[in-house]
Amino acid sequence: ETGVTQTPRHLVMGMTNKKSLKCEQHLGHNAMYWYKQSAKKPLELMFVYSLEERVENNSVPSRFSPECPNSSHLFLHLHTLQPEDSALYLCASSQDPAGTGDSPLHFGNGTRLTVT
Amino acid sequence: QKEVEQDPGPLSVPEGAIVSLNCTYSNSAFQYFMWYRQYSRKGPELLMYTYSSGNKEDGRFTAQVDKSSKYISLFIRDSQPSDSATYLCAMSASNFGNEKLTFGTGTRLTIIP
Repeated sequence: ETGVTQTPRHLVMGMTNKKSLKCEQHLGHNAMYWYKQSAKKPLELMFVYSLEERVENNSVPSRFSPECPNSSHLFLHLHTLQPEDSALYLCASSQDPAGTGDSPLHFGNGTRLTVT
Repeated sequence: QKEVEQDPGPLSVPEGAIVSLNCTYSNSAFQYFMWYRQYSRKGPELLMYTYSSGNKEDGRFTAQVDKSSKYISLFIRDSQPSDSATYLCAMSASNFGNEKLTFGTGTRLTIIP
């Protein structure tokens, strides 16, 4: 495996379910991110981890709970979601937390989440 | 006013045409400008990166930044069907630390063979 891998690719869950999204990066990067991508909206940064410590929490509702057990793995735990949470959830990594051109973001292919 | 404005399209052009994609922004502190390309059912990938004003060329792609007008462009010459994707602009005021990127909404481009 190379790059950033996300599982599952698709997830359908009811509003009362609990599920988790998984991300793994094989690039030796120090920073990992969760982004939310909704139609006709800019990418929304949700969480940033640098060296396994959370450095950004962008006013995300508590029904989204991140976990970063080591620098290669990132999880997003989901519970009691709302239909408006349906979106593509993208994981990314970068060498340092800036994510700009000298240390660009490397994205996974995302998890398409549908909340029914 | 949104911090970054990008026409969502969709934009359809014939193969071989020159494509111009644009973003405007309001934050004069932005200095680092990126274009990401996102194919269907894939994550975004960095295509071009420029710092401050000026042009940068890479093969058929040219990125242009006009900080005085707060306007950035991506030009694609001799467009190919494989260029069909959504193009996202992104920008930041800093190249280090925890300065986060601000993205546009993306422009969906289709190159017609």
